[in-house]
Amino acid sequence: SAVISQKPSRDICQRGTSLTIQCQVDSQVTMMFWYRQQPGQSLTLIATANQGSEATYESGFVIDKFPISRPNLTFSTLTVSNMSPEDSSIYLCSVEETETQYFGPGTRLLVL
Amino acid sequence: ILNVEQSPQSLHVQEGDSTNFTCSFPSSNFYALHWYRWETAKSPEALFVMTLNGDEKKKGRISATLNTKEGYSYLYIKGSQPEDSATYLCALSGGSYIPTFGRGTSLIVHP
Repeated sequence: SAVISQKPSRDICQRGTSLTIQCQVDSQVTMMFWYRQQPGQSLTLIATANQGSEATYESGFVIDKFPISRPNLTFSTLTVSNMSPEDSSIYLCSVEETETQYFGPGTRLLVL
Repeated sequence: ILNVEQSPQSLHVQEGDSTNFTCSFPSSNFYALHWYRWETAKSPEALFVMTLNGDEKKKGRISATLNTKEGYSYLYIKGSQPEDSATYLCALSGGSYIPTFGRGTSLIVHP
């Protein structure tokens, strides 16, 4: 299965600032996925990132708040913009292989 | 939107106890049921994917069953060990390969 790394592993940020999370995969993949898990909530898909095209966002998530880059087949970034305490979550990237999602270790974000 | 429910929300057991928890889902539009184990500060790890009614999967001391007609899956852990402490996530694929996750069951095994 794919090996996925994320940076940073955790961060504490002030409200109103932005944070960019990086995701690196050890193999080329067509689609990469970004999820978040707010405290006490389920893991929720934010968007799907395809190389060479704009990301596809799920209901309730918009590009202005969560811009995504996908410059090549092994890398993606998610930016959490103009953060508020409600953005405090674990953010995970993932790839799909044989109908199973494989995840990175996550970025734990606390917004004060 | 698929509704995936997991119970209990959290569970404390003693080392050596066997335990089980439940994932409930709408029986219509079923494609596949996934179980993941998520330890703190690590990546969620895929345990099982099941597609057929009556499926049973086993990995060491952990096993899972699936009933698609009534819309539930059970995850069993035999002889729990402290290293089994984790959040266990259930996810449903309903025609799209992108799964919908439940909120998870947090298991703590006390030595």
